Amino acid sequence: GAVVSQHPSWVICKSGTSVKIECRSLDFQATTMFWYRQFPKQSLMLMATSNEGSKATYEQGVEKDKFLINHASLTLSTLTVTSAHPEDSSFYICSAVREWVEQFFGPGTRLTVL
Amino acid sequence: KNEVEQSPQNLTAQEGEFITINCSYSVGISALHWLQQHPGGGIVSLFMLSSGKKKHGRLIATINIQEKHSSLHITASHPRDSAVYICAVRHVNRDDKIIFGKGTRLHILP
Repeated sequence: GAVVSQHPSWVICKSGTSVKIECRSLDFQATTMFWYRQFPKQSLMLMATSNEGSKATYEQGVEKDKFLINHASLTLSTLTVTSAHPEDSSFYICSAVREWVEQFFGPGTRLTVL
Repeated sequence: KNEVEQSPQNLTAQEGEFITINCSYSVGISALHWLQQHPGGGIVSLFMLSSGKKKHGRLIATINIQEKHSSLHITASHPRDSAVYICAVRHVNRDDKIIFGKGTRLHILP
């Protein structure tokens, strides 16, 4: 089946720094990519919808200036957590949509902000 | 009430037992996913269903669109199956956005 990768799989950073997470569809072009966040012992929650070549659409309560999403190509979307704080520590997951129908999930990135 | 409900929330079983995890949803969907999340957090997509039944190894997933219900079955369960299993539906009226269940924590004892 189709593969979606994320890099890095885990990252630890100091408070105030920025962290970039990449989401790649390895063997297909993704018409849309989604970014999710999961806090400990909670469900995954949608953060934003990313379409190639256009601005991301953010869910209510998600700060677009803090979570910068760039969808530069049909196989790559990046999520940058700017000026990270300990409360941003979470598990970030992307998914990619193939041919408007099938959705595939990345393995996730665990972010720990010290 | 959550739009996606899973049951049970927690399940402990002996190795070899047949496991069933249920998912009910209240919205119109275009697809339903079953995901497996291991203790480290990594997610594996198990199935994507829009109708009927799918089988992969010891895992079987079924969906009944009329009843808005899906089940994930594990045959001959093994300790390595211990994980959180998440049901997620693709909402047909919300631009393909996914709504997640809270997950079922499965623990298989050796």
